[in-house]
Amino acid sequence: GEDVEQSLFLSVREGDSSVINCTYTDSSSTYLYWYKQEPGAGLQLLTYIFSNMDMKQDQRLTVLLNKKDKHLSLRIADTQTGDSAIYFCADHAYSGAGSYQLTFGKGTKLSVIP
Amino acid sequence: NAGVTQTPKFRILKIGQSMTLQCTQDMNHNYMYWYRQDPGMGLKLIYYSVGAGITDKGEVPNGYNVSRSTTEDFPLRLELAAPSQTSVYFCASSYPHAGTGNQPQHFGDGTRLSIL
Repeated sequence: GEDVEQSLFLSVREGDSSVINCTYTDSSSTYLYWYKQEPGAGLQLLTYIFSNMDMKQDQRLTVLLNKKDKHLSLRIADTQTGDSAIYFCADHAYSGAGSYQLTFGKGTKLSVIP
Repeated sequence: NAGVTQTPKFRILKIGQSMTLQCTQDMNHNYMYWYRQDPGMGLKLIYYSVGAGITDKGEVPNGYNVSRSTTEDFPLRLELAAPSQTSVYFCASSYPHAGTGNQPQHFGDGTRLSIL
């Protein structure tokens, strides 16, 4: 089945850029999402990219997609302490019988050092 | 605009007890989902529903049941609670997924369930 892999931890200094990486296996991916989860809260949609795009920029966030290598990254510019959270990569792909499902990575815990 | 609302937020159960986790959404979404989140394991799909009266199993359905009598509500039932079901449970909803349509899932704040 589909597999989505992320590194589990990332630590950066406040003001630096953060890059969170994700790899996926499914060739039928349509959209790839980044969700943010703050402690004790649910998942909040951060941004997404359509599978035929290479890059998407949204204020401090840049998403890069290498479809050939099935590699997705999220860059956060000027990282702030409020960006400390767990970031989930999720792949929206066809799962059979007319159904599409999201497969989540295990999440990358971003710690921002003041 | 409430979005996806889950109740209760926290619950402690004894082994063998039963309970229902409630989920309701006010966005008129057809699709609804239940996930469980275990530490360091990401989210696993338990059950999902594409509309009222229709439910289907996800990746980890054993020990759970669902029903979908209305568009708004999608309760998750644990019949005989086991320690392995200690987890954080998230409900989500979305518009129907077309092949090329972007319909992200919207999540509730979760129910933290401990079974002792």
